[in-house]
Amino acid sequence: NAGVTQTPKFRVLKTGQSMTLLCAQDMNHEYMYWYRQDPGMGLRLIHYSVGEGTTAKGEVPDGYNVSRLKKQNFLLGLESAAPSQTSVYFCASRSGGPTEAFFGQGTRLTVV
Amino acid sequence: ELKVEQNPLFLSMQEGKNYTIYCNYSTTSDRLYWYRQDPGKSLESLFVLLSNGAVKQEGRLMASLDTKARLSTLHITAAVHDLSATYFCAVAVNFGNEKLTFGTGTRLTIIP
Repeated sequence: NAGVTQTPKFRVLKTGQSMTLLCAQDMNHEYMYWYRQDPGMGLRLIHYSVGEGTTAKGEVPDGYNVSRLKKQNFLLGLESAAPSQTSVYFCASRSGGPTEAFFGQGTRLTVV
Repeated sequence: ELKVEQNPLFLSMQEGKNYTIYCNYSTTSDRLYWYRQDPGKSLESLFVLLSNGAVKQEGRLMASLDTKARLSTLHITAAVHDLSATYFCAVAVNFGNEKLTFGTGTRLTIIP
């Protein structure tokens, strides 16, 4: 049982480059989330999805786009990376109701 | 906008001592979660608290929820080194609005 899998685990980008982070879950969860974690700031919600084909903005959505074309996948895109987007990115998923979220292992992204 | 505050942000304590981490949130909530994160790792779910007065315990950790005060506590009893980690609380507001908002975390270090 893989749970929540993030790809890639590490990446270095140059300023202005684009990339897509993939989150895949095999638990048939409705809800999926992308967070970024920065020192001293906890986890901040970037975008989330309450079901296939739906997305919504979180606290810090600027500079990111997302898509949920398939229920099991949630993609996070950076169109033009900036050094301020250097962070550790976590994906999470959960089923409906009062259930906890399960997290992926994280993607450490460095933008130089 | 929902705000979730944890204190203290850093906690260094001796083995065998007791201590409490506090989580305050700014609006009425349906659910409160506690997570643990080891350095360089992902987040692991500890507790899900769903109602006023809820108390859950696992080993040396006990979590409680006071929805009227908008306060949750994570109590550590007779701390041991293995409990060294960063602890996060997270709050969800209203069924149907499935955003999870995290606190900034409490970095706990247990000193022998």
